[in-house]
Amino acid sequence: DTGVSQDPRHKITKRGQNVTFRCDPISEHNRLYWYRQTLGQGPEFLTYFQNEAQLEKSRLLSDRFSAERPKGSFSTLEIQRTEQGDSAMYLCASSTIGTRNNEQFFGPGTRLTVL
Amino acid sequence: GESVGLHLPTLSVQEGDNSIINCAYSNSASDYFIWYKQESGKGPQFIIDIRSNMDKRQGQRVTVLLNKTVKHLSLQIAATQPGDSAVYFCAEKGGGGATNKLIFGTGTLLAVQP
Repeated sequence: DTGVSQDPRHKITKRGQNVTFRCDPISEHNRLYWYRQTLGQGPEFLTYFQNEAQLEKSRLLSDRFSAERPKGSFSTLEIQRTEQGDSAMYLCASSTIGTRNNEQFFGPGTRLTVL
Repeated sequence: GESVGLHLPTLSVQEGDNSIINCAYSNSASDYFIWYKQESGKGPQFIIDIRSNMDKRQGQRVTVLLNKTVKHLSLQIAATQPGDSAVYFCAEKGGGGATNKLIFGTGTLLAVQP
């Protein structure tokens, strides 16, 4: 499978714990995006990388959230001191300059449940 | 702020009928729109897109219509099949090119009855 992959697919944690998610984009895609989706809602943009540079961050990305893409390939999203309101599906997408309108391909998501 | 919304949260159709899913957007500066399909437990899957310099674009069994005058977008699915059952989202590329983020609406659940 050469699509976007995310790990883990599911994560259950206790409030106050830290969690880290990983995203592997489609090979050679230089743009990578993180979105958050709650039940019944559309995905909400969190942040975006072009290669290793984080170019845009949403106001939704509080100081408890940090994303990295150190080598311009895979990315990690860490949430510190998790809260129940962080429970959601975290989606990763990737695209490349030159793709039709920079089409974003989404991964299957990581579902986070904070108890 | 800018937003993208849907008129109908749930649409139930008979297999073989045509489906029409509607979407309203508020950012008149947006120049690119996309329809995504999301099945349970999966990420959104690209269906079709359209740029603001077009009114209509056709794919395989799907057609997207854009009415910039009233800021309205629709997705037409011909001969709807059970496999089309999913949540459909419209999205716009925010900022009219100044950003690469997508702004999604809240989704319409399409239920295809056999």
